[in-house]
Amino acid sequence: EVQLVESGGTLVQTGGSLRLSCAASGFTFSKYWMTWVRRAPGKGLEWVANINQDGSEKYYVDSVKGRFTISRDNAQRSLFLQMNSLRADDTALYFCARGTNTIGPWGQGTFVAVSS
Amino acid sequence: DIQMTQSPSSLSASVGDRVTITCQASQDISNYLNWYQQKPGKAPKLLIYDASNLETGVPSRFSGSGSGTDFTFTISSLQPEDIATYYCQQYDNLFTFGGGTKVEIK
Repeated sequence: EVQLVESGGTLVQTGGSLRLSCAASGFTFSKYWMTWVRRAPGKGLEWVANINQDGSEKYYVDSVKGRFTISRDNAQRSLFLQMNSLRADDTALYFCARGTNTIGPWGQGTFVAVSS
Repeated sequence: DIQMTQSPSSLSASVGDRVTITCQASQDISNYLNWYQQKPGKAPKLLIYDASNLETGVPSRFSGSGSGTDFTFTISSLQPEDIATYYCQQYDNLFTFGGGTKVEIK
């Protein structure tokens, strides 16, 4: 069974940094693109970033470019999202998901709250 | 950037009703469109890929159609377990989700 478990979400101050992790199991992690998607309170889903199988291709939504970095460790079957210069509008539930064009399965998410 | 306009933002229907959700792209995206379901407190789940293909294991009461800029998602006979928010998503140029449609039982 495919499992994706996110961690690292917490309350952080505006301008701070945070690193999210996603532990994958139940599939050959190194063969798949991986994606981060977020859902802000009261809002819809927003694609954040994705990364190809060997980490050589990375794409970001404009609002996080230059602040967030997606990475992966295939040996550890883990996906990461380094989040710097956090803003209030980054407050959201962050999901890790397998795939790129067609996204799934998804993890349950980890919540990031950015407050001044 | 490609914008996805989804409507309605919410709807209330009776069990057994036919429910239709539309999604309009700001430019031609061919059939590069998926539909997802997110139940309260759960992770999103892929239902329809490439505009009209049913994901394995998804009940046949769910269907999708359309191409170009206009797309439709249909539940042929609404069931209580279909209470969720539904999202369209384009992948023609990066990735964009529609605003979501919250489906409730009347």
